[in-house]
Amino acid sequence: KAGVTQTPRYLIKTRGQQVTLSCSPISGHRSVSWYQQTPGQGLQFLFEYFSETQRNKGNFPGRFSGRQFSNSRSEMNVSTLELGDSALYLCASTLGSSGNTIYFGEGSWLTVV
Amino acid sequence: AQSVTQPDIHITVSEGASLELRCNYSYGATPYLFWYVQSPGQGLQLLLKYFSGDTLVQGIKGFEAEFKRSQSSFNLRKPSVHWSDAAEYFCAVGSLDSNYQLIWGAGTKLIIKP
Repeated sequence: KAGVTQTPRYLIKTRGQQVTLSCSPISGHRSVSWYQQTPGQGLQFLFEYFSETQRNKGNFPGRFSGRQFSNSRSEMNVSTLELGDSALYLCASTLGSSGNTIYFGEGSWLTVV
Repeated sequence: AQSVTQPDIHITVSEGASLELRCNYSYGATPYLFWYVQSPGQGLQLLLKYFSGDTLVQGIKGFEAEFKRSQSSFNLRKPSVHWSDAAEYFCAVGSLDSNYQLIWGAGTKLIIKP
C-alpha cells in the first residue's frame, strides 16, 4: 500500500511569508504527526492529530499550526516565516495507539530566504 | 525527566567491520523502543522495535538490537556493515503512559570507510 506522501518536496519562501505543507497518511492511519528537523536541533516534535483533533503539541510558537481533515489528510501552516524556520518538515502516520509503528514521509524541504 | 541519549554524534567504521550504536534512556514506565534510519535527504525508516518478550530483536537490513533493562540501554548492532549503511540512526522511546508520543535521541551519523 502507498506510504506517507508529503507535498511539496522542496520549496523556497521569503521571510515574512506563510507556507502550507500537506501530508497524506497511510490508508487506515488516523494519527498524523509533524516534526521539524534541522542540523542543530535534531528531530523536534511539532504536533499530532488524531481523528481531526490535536492530541499532542510540542513546544513551538503559535506561528506553527496544523489541522487534520476527515480523510486523515493533514496540513501544517507556518505564518510569518523566519530564517530559522528553514528545515526538513517530516510527517508521520500511525494507527494511533501507543506502541504502533510510526511511518514517515520523505519530508518537505523548506528554505526561507 | 524522560530522555534518550545517543552518546555518539558520529561513528566511522570500515566496510565489513562490525557496528554497535549506543542508545540509553531514562524512562519511568515500561518502554517501547525503536531504531530508525534516515538516509540523506529522506524520511525515517523503521529498522526494528522492542515491545516485550525476547530482548534480542531482529530488524531489517541485518540489524539487531538488545534491550537491557538493567542498563537502560537498547544498542543497535550489525556484524558487518556495507557502504549502503551510511546514514543517520535514531533511537526513540515510548510507552503506554507517554500519551502516544515518542522521545527521540539526537541521532548518530554513521560514516563508512572503504
